[in-house]
Amino acid sequence: DTAVSQTPKYLVTQMGNDKSIKCEQNLGHDTMYWYKQDSKKFLKIMFSYNNKELIINETVPNRFSPKSPDKAHLNLHINSLELGDSAVYFCASSHGIGPGVGQFFGPGTRLTVL
Amino acid sequence: GQQVMQIPQYQHVQEGEDFTTYCNSSTTLSNIQWYKQRPGGHPVFLIQLVKSGEVKKQKRLTFQFGEAKKNSSLHITATQTTDVGTYFCAPSNTDKLIFGTGTRLQVFP
Repeated sequence: DTAVSQTPKYLVTQMGNDKSIKCEQNLGHDTMYWYKQDSKKFLKIMFSYNNKELIINETVPNRFSPKSPDKAHLNLHINSLELGDSAVYFCASSHGIGPGVGQFFGPGTRLTVL
Repeated sequence: GQQVMQIPQYQHVQEGEDFTTYCNSSTTLSNIQWYKQRPGGHPVFLIQLVKSGEVKKQKRLTFQFGEAKKNSSLHITATQTTDVGTYFCAPSNTDKLIFGTGTRLQVFP
């Protein structure tokens, strides 16, 4: 069974479109995250939620809106997609509040904006 | 903001050679985690170091936390082709991880 799953795995879309990425974890973790990894492999945190409550919002444009319907799910909606949004987006989870002792990452969603 | 540099950026080694990546921070760290990301894969947690001067081993991997808690290293003895990937250090502050710039390791058979 997959611990942290994301859908879709690949997403190709035109500039200006709106898209969503879904994430689910079955590890019973309290905290979930969204990371962005650019073409140079830099990995940067975007958001973190603990028990459905927003904990971290890292100066991300407000076109990005996370939603956590319950503590096992953290979705990411992106409005008005731009070329610079092309990247791999990783969802992750960990136990407890804060960065956690070891985060479990999903397989990633490769977003390409044309 | 906190800067976390890793050196080298890339390392190509012959299978059987040793490999070391270094992680340097501009500030004192409370703890540091290490992750490995295989090509096309996702980051996988390896270990966490907490104490000044701490050394931990996992088979051929040796992790060290500096005495001043501003740097850390990962050493792989006798690399294998399965070691290929990017190694990230990730110091944490109170609420998040700051991932280092990563070291990409290529191992030639």
